[in-house]
Amino acid sequence: DTAVSQTPKYLVTQMGNDKSIKCEQNLGHDTMYWYKQDSKKFLKIMFSYNNKELIINETVPNRFSPKSPDKAHLNLHINSLELGDSAVYFCASSHIGGGGNTGELFFGEGSRLTVL
Amino acid sequence: GQSLEQPSEVTAVEGAIVQINCTYQTSGFYGLSWYQQHDGGAPTFLSYNALDGLEETGRFSSFLSRSDSYGYLLLQELQMKDSASYFCAVDNQGGKLIFGQGTELSVKP
Repeated sequence: DTAVSQTPKYLVTQMGNDKSIKCEQNLGHDTMYWYKQDSKKFLKIMFSYNNKELIINETVPNRFSPKSPDKAHLNLHINSLELGDSAVYFCASSHIGGGGNTGELFFGEGSRLTVL
Repeated sequence: GQSLEQPSEVTAVEGAIVQINCTYQTSGFYGLSWYQQHDGGAPTFLSYNALDGLEETGRFSSFLSRSDSYGYLLLQELQMKDSASYFCAVDNQGGKLIFGQGTELSVKP
């Protein structure tokens, strides 16, 4: 079974549309993240949730809205898509609670978003 | 500001040893991680250093000097499959990883 799975893997859409990417982890982790990787491979954190609570919200346009219905799921909704939103979006999870931080994130396979 | 510096690309031959350096300047520091990413794939965790010194995991080792804000990843007995991008990442907020720009490693026969 895939540890961190995200769908869809590929997404091609027109400017101005709204789209969602879903993420699920079956590792029992308490923390989930969204990262954006641009065409130069730069990985930048966007959001982080710990037990369904938003703990990291980087400087991201408010067109991006994360939602965590439970600690195993973290979805990303993007409104009014722009050309610059084209990137690969990675979901990740880790366990932070209990002082057990080991610097290890488990990444999903990525969702490649292309805005035309 | 927060920044991590690593070489953009490194080339080496099969069987050789290569070292990828990373210097960082961040507002907080819990530890330094290293990740490998093949083209089209997901980043995968290689190692983590919270304290000064060398951590060894098979052919890969990672070193940290907190006083110098410096670390490196050492890859030994290089294989063709090691061709990938390697990222250092600082944990500056107990779980928040800030990534470097990545080093593209090319292993030649």
